[in-house]
Amino acid sequence: QSALTQPASVSGSPGQSITISCTGTSSDVGNYNFVSWYQQHPGTAPKLMIYEVNKRPSGVSNRFSGSKSGITASLTISGLQAEDEADYYCCSYAGFSTVLFGGGTKLSVL
Amino acid sequence: QVQLVESGGGVVQPGRSLRLSCAASGFTFSSHAMYWVRQAPGKGLEWVALISYDGTIESYADSVKGRFTISRDNSRSTLFLQMNSLTPEDTAVYYCARDVGATGTTILYWGQGTLVTVSS
Repeated sequence: QSALTQPASVSGSPGQSITISCTGTSSDVGNYNFVSWYQQHPGTAPKLMIYEVNKRPSGVSNRFSGSKSGITASLTISGLQAEDEADYYCCSYAGFSTVLFGGGTKLSVL
Repeated sequence: QVQLVESGGGVVQPGRSLRLSCAASGFTFSSHAMYWVRQAPGKGLEWVALISYDGTIESYADSVKGRFTISRDNSRSTLFLQMNSLTPEDTAVYYCARDVGATGTTILYWGQGTLVTVSS
């Protein structure tokens, strides 16, 4: 049960696009299309932004999109806004009723 | 709307036990898998345990296996986490969370969390 690998931090300017990667293995990210992404602002609970690799829950901006290739999933945020500054976590189903989280990525909007 | 309200957190000495509860409302509790996820101070999210909609399937992270037990009472729409043999490494905010479906693949909703501090 090793955590999925995410970059510790990424940054971008308002209006730009950024991509956060999430690397797993053939037992989790590479084997299931149950990859989700969560946004967490300081002191608050996480919020689902993307599920099943590339689906957006109702109410989430279409500036957020997800994709997957092999054992690596990605979250892309386009048209960066100051309110996007937060921690982002990927999560993958890993079989046998288990899930794994990534270590988290701190997004700074410069 | 969906509400998940955790309770039972607090300060506990190493080696002691604590039981967390999560009161659910706003949805059909008995139709959804449920989770406990924790976050140590300044650290990332860590999945702790999962239970299927009917309680027949339980799974645990290696870090808590044999010490923690997840359970549910569908008649009371309540989720529990029994934590035994606590260590300082268990200090964290514990979140109750709901799956999109019955067996557990994606966390959709989160509670606000309850803080557990293990310290002498």
